[in-house]
Amino acid sequence: DQQVKQNSPSLSVQEGRISILNCDYTNSMFDYFLWYKKYPAEGPTFLISISSIKDKNEDGRFTVFLNKSAKHLSLHIVPSQPGDSAVYFCAASALGNEKLTFGTGTRLTIIP
Amino acid sequence: KAGVTQTPRYLIKTRGQQVTLSCSPISGHRSVSWYQQTPGQGLQFLFEYFSETQRNKGNFPGRFSGRQFSNSRSEMNVSTLELGDSALYLCASSTGGNEQFFGPGTRLTVL
Repeated sequence: DQQVKQNSPSLSVQEGRISILNCDYTNSMFDYFLWYKKYPAEGPTFLISISSIKDKNEDGRFTVFLNKSAKHLSLHIVPSQPGDSAVYFCAASALGNEKLTFGTGTRLTIIP
Repeated sequence: KAGVTQTPRYLIKTRGQQVTLSCSPISGHRSVSWYQQTPGQGLQFLFEYFSETQRNKGNFPGRFSGRQFSNSRSEMNVSTLELGDSALYLCASSTGGNEQFFGPGTRLTVL
């Protein structure tokens, strides 16, 4: 039972354009969502998070949007840079619970 | 601040053996979680320790166990290794909130 889904295994975007990565979840107990970036043979790097009381959180080039009614979140990267090429995971947790449930990841490739 | 460190970075074992992996969290972080990453299953939660107590446990067999010491360092142990245990084992630490910071992982290969 995949409670967090990233339906696009891969995405290619031109440098300088916007990258939009999507994530859906099924468990209504989830109220905190995170995005991580991962390079091969390294641990995930935390990018940005959002709690369910918000619908948007911004940090530099990264913005996360949360649509609770649709159980959907997205990560926008503007402008996309070659160093953004990596696998991106969304993750979800319930309040007070450290357990993160991860999606299967989306491989983002930025084309110079 | 130093990040999460994990040792060893690489391990090769044979079926039936046991293995112990170590994790040192970020200074001041009292929560340590362990995850297994495999190509087929993605990132799966193993367990979480806070102040030397296991607070959460994922759906893994009893061969997988862990502990946390008073300095917050943690170890995980896998006994009677199986081929399917080959994976990247990741440790993450946090202050007890939801944002977890990951170490580089230990790549375990079981032959």
